[in-house]
Amino acid sequence: AQSVAQPEDQVNVAEGNPLTVKCTYSVSGNPYLFWYVQYPNRGLQFLLKYITGDNLVKGSYGFEAEFNKSQTSFHLKKPSALVSDSALYFCAVSYPGGYQKVTFGTGTKLQVIP
Amino acid sequence: NAGVTQTPKFRVLKTGQSMTLLCAQDMNHEYMYWYRQDPGMGLRLIHYSVGEGTTAKGEVPDGYNVSRLKKQNFLLGLESAAPSQTSVYFCASSYLLGQGYNEQFFGPGTRLTVL
Repeated sequence: AQSVAQPEDQVNVAEGNPLTVKCTYSVSGNPYLFWYVQYPNRGLQFLLKYITGDNLVKGSYGFEAEFNKSQTSFHLKKPSALVSDSALYFCAVSYPGGYQKVTFGTGTKLQVIP
Repeated sequence: NAGVTQTPKFRVLKTGQSMTLLCAQDMNHEYMYWYRQDPGMGLRLIHYSVGEGTTAKGEVPDGYNVSRLKKQNFLLGLESAAPSQTSVYFCASSYLLGQGYNEQFFGPGTRLTVL
């Protein structure tokens, strides 16, 4: 069975500071990893994904994530946070042959403080 | 392109009533999904479809039925609503491209309250 954990319910960061939202996963075989963002009263929007290749993945709005196989982690990062980055962030995992079924984490609320 | 649309946006039901949620996508995607989102639990997969005429159970299928008679539409039905089905429901679609796994495109959600 596949699973994903987001250990922090909320992350607070000052505007202009770097941010990290943590994610760890468990899956048999090679994982496919995703980050999505949800703004209030909206559906989820895709940010970035790791399928294979370079461990550092760059995505939308200046976000990036690093795949670490030994630590089974896929943390989301941004060098300089914006107030507009405040939202709910979801990590998700899938696997080959899974018909693109993804398992989502419980979400981390990011609050960027002006 | 409208992307993924959901109807209705809000609904209040009484226990025991039935209803159907409609999801439509205009991106010619093969895969479609229904999720429910509850506080502190993330998104949980209810049912999914890998193509027209096919459906399969997800993580929490009990109390729900689905149909995919047309490629662009995916219907979620509640035959006898229960208060435990109060939630926000999201539809999503995705496309098949080689062996890669691709992102899902989400609709705006339906907020359902069962009294």
